[in-house]
Amino acid sequence: EAQVTQNPRYLITVTGKKLTVTCSQNMNHEYMSWYRQDPGLGLRQIYYSMNVEVTDKGDVPEGYKVSRKEKRNFPLILESPSPNQTSLYFCASSYGMYGTIYFGEGSWLTVV
Amino acid sequence: ILNVEQSPQSLHVQEGDSTNFTCSFPSSNFYALHWYRWETAKSPEALFVMTLNGDEKKKGRISATLNTKEGYSYLYIKGSQPEDSATYLCAFPVPNTGNQFYFGTGTSLTVIP
Repeated sequence: EAQVTQNPRYLITVTGKKLTVTCSQNMNHEYMSWYRQDPGLGLRQIYYSMNVEVTDKGDVPEGYKVSRKEKRNFPLILESPSPNQTSLYFCASSYGMYGTIYFGEGSWLTVV
Repeated sequence: ILNVEQSPQSLHVQEGDSTNFTCSFPSSNFYALHWYRWETAKSPEALFVMTLNGDEKKKGRISATLNTKEGYSYLYIKGSQPEDSATYLCAFPVPNTGNQFYFGTGTSLTVIP
């Protein structure tokens, strides 16, 4: 089954404790992205990647890092999480530039 | 930051009513316009990717039109059903960036049985 898988789905963590949200897709898509969803603000893109080792900042990259060492994986790293990073996060992938976006199931992250 | 706006923010309709909502986007440097449907507790799913001015796409009772010259797209739902209750999102890819997108904040549709 074609899918984007992200983990963990739910996490409560403390300020400053580094965490990684993993993302993997099995559709051989070149393009992958991370988004965050906050009430009233819609989906905002954090980082995107056009292929292995090629990444770029989206609209809200501050406080996040990404890496794309393999085509299928695109982890999101919060080096020192803060409460304002409490949000619902989506990983996504697509085939071709600006192609249909396939979303993971979302990760609820709470930073206390 | 690009302005992608959706209206109305929310909508309540009776079962069987037809409804429509709007996405407006920058009309210069247009490449494509996406529509997604997002049900509560699920992830957004693609409805349409529209690329040509005057394009009209249809999926069952849902259809969409596109006007790239004036920078808007309409999504129509004919004969709304309770299962159509969801948030409908439009997304605008930023030209010449590879994969940067701006999403509207969505229209939340509730269909009352």
